[in-house]
Amino acid sequence: AQSVTQLGSHVSVSEGALVLLRCNYSSSVPPYLFWYVQYPNQGLQLLLKYTSAATLVKGINGFEAEFKKSETSFHLTKPSAHMSDAAEYFCAVSADGGYQKVTFGIGTKLQVIP
Amino acid sequence: GAVVSQHPSWVICKSGTSVKIECRSLDFQATTMFWYRQFPKQSLMLMATSNEGSKATYEQGVEKDKFLINHASLTLSTLTVTSAHPEDSSFYICSATRDRGGGEQYFGPGTRLTVT
Repeated sequence: AQSVTQLGSHVSVSEGALVLLRCNYSSSVPPYLFWYVQYPNQGLQLLLKYTSAATLVKGINGFEAEFKKSETSFHLTKPSAHMSDAAEYFCAVSADGGYQKVTFGIGTKLQVIP
Repeated sequence: GAVVSQHPSWVICKSGTSVKIECRSLDFQATTMFWYRQFPKQSLMLMATSNEGSKATYEQGVEKDKFLINHASLTLSTLTVTSAHPEDSSFYICSATRDRGGGEQYFGPGTRLTVT
């Protein structure tokens, strides 16, 4: 079974500051890990995914995440927050790369303060 | 590429009526489609997985007679909420995986259902 835990349902950062959204996973098999972003009343957009090719994964909009097996973590970071980054972010895990069940975390709402 | 659309984007219906939501993969063949439900300020909960030409697999606790899923072609899946009640009001999101596409799920924009 797989699960993810997102620490912090709300995160506030100042514009230009570092963004750090935390995600820890639990998986009985080597996991596939994803970060998605959701803007109000919209579907999910994939930011990046980890598929065991490289531990540091770069995604769209300047986001990246690092897979740390020893810490079972997959935290999302961005060096400098923009106002347009304000959204809900979901960490997700899958056992088979997403062909079958993907389990989502509860989400972290990112607020960017001007 | 890999665009998924949903129709309608929002719908309001009266209690007791049925509502059909369509999910289409516009530029790829989707052998598997997923239906999720999202309550306000909560995560996505998988309702069911549907493979083209076969019956949907429902998650535990999801009433298959209430949420009818049909995956009739490689580009279309429908979710019908039968005899809708106010508690069925929610945001419904579908996703699709592209055949031999590396496992990523492509999400539709969602459908907001309000049952009055």
